[in-house]
Amino acid sequence: SQQGEEDPQALSIQEGENATMNCSYKTSINNLQWYRQNSGRGLVHLILIRSNEREKHSGRLRVTLDTSKKSSSLLITASRAADTASYFCATDPISNFGNEKLTFGTGTRLTIIP
Amino acid sequence: DGGITQSPKYLFRKEGQNVTLSCEQNLNHDAMYWYRQDPGQGLRLIYYSQIVNDFQKGDIAEGYSVSREKKESFPLTVTSAQKNPTAFYLCASSRGQNTHTEAFFGQGTRLTVV
Repeated sequence: SQQGEEDPQALSIQEGENATMNCSYKTSINNLQWYRQNSGRGLVHLILIRSNEREKHSGRLRVTLDTSKKSSSLLITASRAADTASYFCATDPISNFGNEKLTFGTGTRLTIIP
Repeated sequence: DGGITQSPKYLFRKEGQNVTLSCEQNLNHDAMYWYRQDPGQGLRLIYYSQIVNDFQKGDIAEGYSVSREKKESFPLTVTSAQKNPTAFYLCASSRGQNTHTEAFFGQGTRLTVV
């Protein structure tokens, strides 16, 4: 079953604008992770935020986590054409011993218009 | 370079034929995973292995089989019992049980039934 659900399903913005995508989930988690997938390729890990963290930054990426609302957001600032990809959130449920049930959402397809 | 390698990149299967997808990692990770991705969909877990000589069914294991005889290798066999095998298959690895860290993905194998 899909634990994380991303919103919106698709997003198109002009280069230089900020892109925000959201993820909602259902059960308690150890952490939440965001991944990027370029068309026809594997997933690349972007950032991991633990359940006791509220915000995390990595370069142009900013992730927030609200465990009371069971939601997370990924903000990409000053977008570039190379940011065009699908973005997935993945949740590591509290019942996990490791990553055995890392559960992925259906993704947000981001298109950056030059 | 450390990483996870899937082969082949493209694979064509005739009806009723078994095929094996290769996945090798040199990251010294204990845990390995196989996911299936259908167009516009998220990832669904087929099988996972947290340690050599042990593996567990994921959410959609029917019609698939795996082995984990070596730490570095986790091949997936798509059997003739899998009625709709055309999909993009992704292998991943992570440090393993009792760790909650990111997963590393291969570049995927696209399987097509002809």
